[in-house]
Amino acid sequence: EAGVAQSPRYKIIEKRQSVAFWCNPISGHATLYWYQQILGQGPKLLIQFQNNGVVDDSQLPKDRFSAERLKGVDSTLKIQPAKLEDSAVYLCASSSRASYGYTFGSGTRLTVV
Amino acid sequence: GDSVTQMEGPVTLSEEAFLTINCTYTATGYPSLFWYVQYPGEGLQLLLKATKADDKGSNKGFEATYRKETTSFHLEKGSVQVSDSAVYFCALSAFNQAGTALIFGKGTTLSVSS
Repeated sequence: EAGVAQSPRYKIIEKRQSVAFWCNPISGHATLYWYQQILGQGPKLLIQFQNNGVVDDSQLPKDRFSAERLKGVDSTLKIQPAKLEDSAVYLCASSSRASYGYTFGSGTRLTVV
Repeated sequence: GDSVTQMEGPVTLSEEAFLTINCTYTATGYPSLFWYVQYPGEGLQLLLKATKADDKGSNKGFEATYRKETTSFHLEKGSVQVSDSAVYFCALSAFNQAGTALIFGKGTTLSVSS
């Protein structure tokens, strides 16, 4: 089966600019996650969707980050405006049921200068 | 809240040495436990998992046993290879309304030399 697709692979922007990342999960996976992985740390959950509804966005900085999952398939994560500390790899993952079938995409490496 | 603590790295070993990477967790209920590996320039890959106490997960010569009494899930391999050089993450599943989000440790970098 095809994996979790993410784009772009790399992005460099200046602070205060906006940026958007795209994720296409594995077909049929109802649950989609966005994680932020800062260099030297483990991934941290930003937001979790079940179909097109938000399950958990408690760690999403909502003043600058937003995410949507229209039609319960693809998802976009947006940052506006970006700060230097947003430099990280943004990982998308999908799963088909609790605790199993977790698949990560290759991530988008964001550098804010 | 739920959390995972991994031993600090980096871990530097010679080929064929024995590997242990310690992982302990704090969680309510009975989480599932995972080890993920991230090779240089690649994405996160599931290495092994265990879903209940005393389960042993194993893959590619690596193994880890879910120890409820010590809240641990240490990763071991009897003889490491250069190709095992990577960052290893311990994680647990935290149950929420609809499914599971993973909570990760900070990662342990393993470097194996020939």
